[in-house]
Amino acid sequence: AQKVTQAQTEISVVEKEDVTLDCVYETRDTTYYLFWYKQPPSGELVFLIRRNSFDEQNEISGRYSWNFQKSTSSFNFTITASQVVDSAVYFCALSAVEYGNKLVFGAGTILRVKS
Amino acid sequence: GAVVSQHPSRVICKSGTSVKIECRSLDFQATTMFWYRQFPKKSLMLMATSNEGSKATYEQGVEKDKFLINHASLTLSTLTVTSAHPEDSSFYICSAGGGSRSYEQYFGPGTRLTVT
Repeated sequence: AQKVTQAQTEISVVEKEDVTLDCVYETRDTTYYLFWYKQPPSGELVFLIRRNSFDEQNEISGRYSWNFQKSTSSFNFTITASQVVDSAVYFCALSAVEYGNKLVFGAGTILRVKS
Repeated sequence: GAVVSQHPSRVICKSGTSVKIECRSLDFQATTMFWYRQFPKKSLMLMATSNEGSKATYEQGVEKDKFLINHASLTLSTLTVTSAHPEDSSFYICSAGGGSRSYEQYFGPGTRLTVT
């Protein structure tokens, strides 16, 4: 079975605060990919990152960073110095070869950044 | 990343009519296209997977006669909502993948369907 859990339904922060969005996944596959997407109010999904199961290196891209830990099946996303434009729904997703590369999405986390 | 377009972006139709949504892969040949549905404040739910030249594979609980999917070419897939009802109102998103990009999906901008 493939499953992605985003336990945080909604997070509110004040601008310039750091915020971490949690993502826990389940899969029996050894080859899989993890993704984060941003969905602003316009509705269009914005791709943020893809990670394969063999690459546990953490990644930083500007104010965004991702922490992938296979030992805890987690792929957390941190935004440092948050900005109002970061307000959106963020989805974590899993794609496994055994599952035909179908994307399984978490429930999403609504992030509200207040000025 | 690849570019995927959807048309129309927004459509309002009357109950009982059918609506066709197009999904086009503009800069690569998509052997596989996926159709998702998203209810307000909910996550994306995979409806079906279509492979070029073959019948779509529907997820459990999705009515294939209600949601007709055609993937006639490597750049175009269509979703037709037949005999639409207000409960079909939703945000429909397609994605394209496959070939050398089998593990990636490129999402279209979505189509907001409102059935009155």
